[in-house]
Amino acid sequence: DTAVSQTPKYLVTQMGNDKSIKCEQNLGHDTMYWYKQDSKKFLKIMFSYNNKELIINETVPNRFSPKSPDKAHLNLHINSLELGDSAVYFCASSQGGKLFFGSGTQLSVL
Amino acid sequence: AQSVTQLDSQVPVFEEAPVELRCNYSSSVSVYLFWYVQYPNQGLQLLLKYLSGSTLVKGINGFEAEFNKSQTSFHLRKPSVHISDTAEYFCAVSDSYNQGGKLIFGQGTELSVKP
Repeated sequence: DTAVSQTPKYLVTQMGNDKSIKCEQNLGHDTMYWYKQDSKKFLKIMFSYNNKELIINETVPNRFSPKSPDKAHLNLHINSLELGDSAVYFCASSQGGKLFFGSGTQLSVL
Repeated sequence: AQSVTQLDSQVPVFEEAPVELRCNYSSSVSVYLFWYVQYPNQGLQLLLKYLSGSTLVKGINGFEAEFNKSQTSFHLRKPSVHISDTAEYFCAVSDSYNQGGKLIFGQGTELSVKP
């Protein structure tokens, strides 16, 4: 019954690898997001999709590529992982100004 | 450009004491203001939001916030805190509450409630 679910919860990988994080929402929302939370807990938006269409793309390296196969899913693929990519990544969906967050994916790049 | 400043990075307080977490914003357009709470190892949950109307907004868990346009503030208050209120609190601003609006978060305030 989880509203916004993302997998995996933890992801430990080596520098240079490619990895994906999956996100699904069962709330029927049209808009989904990816946020990055750094080690100082600062939250920054990365991407926003509305009805499978990219509408916000902040200054994120090209190594990060979101993909939305349908409006209930927004996956994040990261190529050539770097140490600085280590963070917690949150997926969210929104309705009426309220964001619903997933529980986060803690990515550790070694 | 919009921005949010949370004036205190950490706020320690004793149980049953009142608390205020301060938030100031800057925006050149209409603003919509939010407070979110993040419990350890969890995602964020909405506490309350100001979209329009009454400047005093009541949220969940006994929290409330007051929108002050002249002081560009949106401080969060609770008259009596519990141990379970220990968490990270984020103030946020958006220029739109419609689909696709971008939420700008403050740096967060760690509320630590001690017995």
